[in-house]
Amino acid sequence: AQSVTQLDSHVSVSEGTPVLLRCNYSSSYSPSLFWYVQHPNKGLQLLLKYTSAATLVKGINGFEAEFKKSETSFHLTKPSAHMSDAAEYFCVVSDPRNTDKLIFGTGTRLQVFP
Amino acid sequence: NAGVTQTPKFQVLKTGQSMTLQCAQDMNHNSMYWYRQDPGMGLRLIYYSASEGTTDKGEVPNGYNVSRLNKREFSLRLESAAPSQTSVYFCAARGGRGTGELFFGEGSRLTVL
Repeated sequence: AQSVTQLDSHVSVSEGTPVLLRCNYSSSYSPSLFWYVQHPNKGLQLLLKYTSAATLVKGINGFEAEFKKSETSFHLTKPSAHMSDAAEYFCVVSDPRNTDKLIFGTGTRLQVFP
Repeated sequence: NAGVTQTPKFQVLKTGQSMTLQCAQDMNHNSMYWYRQDPGMGLRLIYYSASEGTTDKGEVPNGYNVSRLNKREFSLRLESAAPSQTSVYFCAARGGRGTGELFFGEGSRLTVL
């Protein structure tokens, strides 16, 4: 079965410093992987997705993620945090055997301090 | 563009009451989903509909029913609400399988007393 683990429930950074949000997945097949962001009291928005093309994926707002099959990881990074990045981030996996279903991680809340 | 619209945005129910959450999308997407979001648990799939006329259970279907009324609309019904169903509910639509992006509504906050 597909599953995804977000290793940190909370991450705090200072504005202007790098961001790293960690995600590991388990899959017997090559998965599709996504990162979504949720700002307070809002719905979720897609940041980026990996679909077995390039392993380094660039998304919106300067975020990127690297798919590492050997480590079963799909960590989200940004070189320099901005106050507006404060939100909750979800790593999501799609099972290629049942591509209708998407499984969400439990989320990482990012705080950005001035 | 409205995208995905959910109603109501807020609802308070007493235990045992019933209600229906409505969801409509104007993107002509085939797949629609209902998730619930609880603190520390991420989003959990309740039911989904891969196409008009089909529905399937997700991770937490107990206590819920769904109807895919047509391609645009996918409703979620609580027949006899319980306090454990207090949550924020999200409807989503998705254009393609596998790599398709989910488009979310803004959520419906339900409290069951």
